[in-house]
Amino acid sequence: GAGVSQSPSNKVTEKGKDVELRCDPISGHTALYWYRQSLGQGLEFLIYFQGNSAPDKSGLPSDRFSAERTGGSVSTLTIQRTQQEDSAVYLCASSLALGPGNTIYFGEGSWLTVV
Amino acid sequence: AQKITQTQPGMFVQEKEAVTLDCTYDTSDQSYGLFWYKQPSSGEMIFLIYQGSYDEQNATEGRYSLNFQKARKSANLVISASQLGDSAMYFCAMRETGGGNKLTFGTGTQLKVEL
Repeated sequence: GAGVSQSPSNKVTEKGKDVELRCDPISGHTALYWYRQSLGQGLEFLIYFQGNSAPDKSGLPSDRFSAERTGGSVSTLTIQRTQQEDSAVYLCASSLALGPGNTIYFGEGSWLTVV
Repeated sequence: AQKITQTQPGMFVQEKEAVTLDCTYDTSDQSYGLFWYKQPSSGEMIFLIYQGSYDEQNATEGRYSLNFQKARKSANLVISASQLGDSAMYFCAMRETGGGNKLTFGTGTQLKVEL
């Protein structure tokens, strides 16, 4: 597609359940990022992938959060045993390459509500 | 220390007027990129404008311009001829070569354009 595609756009889940959020980056983009935005807050970095390099997981808030990227394209963010504080918008983004001058483009986000 | 500081939580501007949204940053990298994003109520993060640390001229994109003052470490966004559709949250962000290539965001400025 033309832009970063995320699914589902909205997800309501019960506390304790696992959720998977999917991201399909812009075709040809080698770098892929996950961010989280809680209500009324700024963006919090979670993880990024670049090509075949080991991902930078430094932003993952706990070991309940994990992400993988298959074939250098689609990525899945998994949250295990969800908690109410996990409720947020999860934004995926991609860029053509690393380097300060490469613009990062965002998807429309997956709105997660944990009840 | 905050990497990106946006000191204006909220701003009002009248339609057709110009408005400046402030952003200061902190980095020891020589090579970095500065970005502005717009986030309307729908939640999508829309890329507006980019300024590279080595660019000598201020970036412009249509009604958007970036007032880059390197010595002061400021990268203010100027929106000319404001429109009602400009009402949104605006985020300043920085991408550092030494920062793992991830974007670091400020806390945002909520802009409301009035008739």
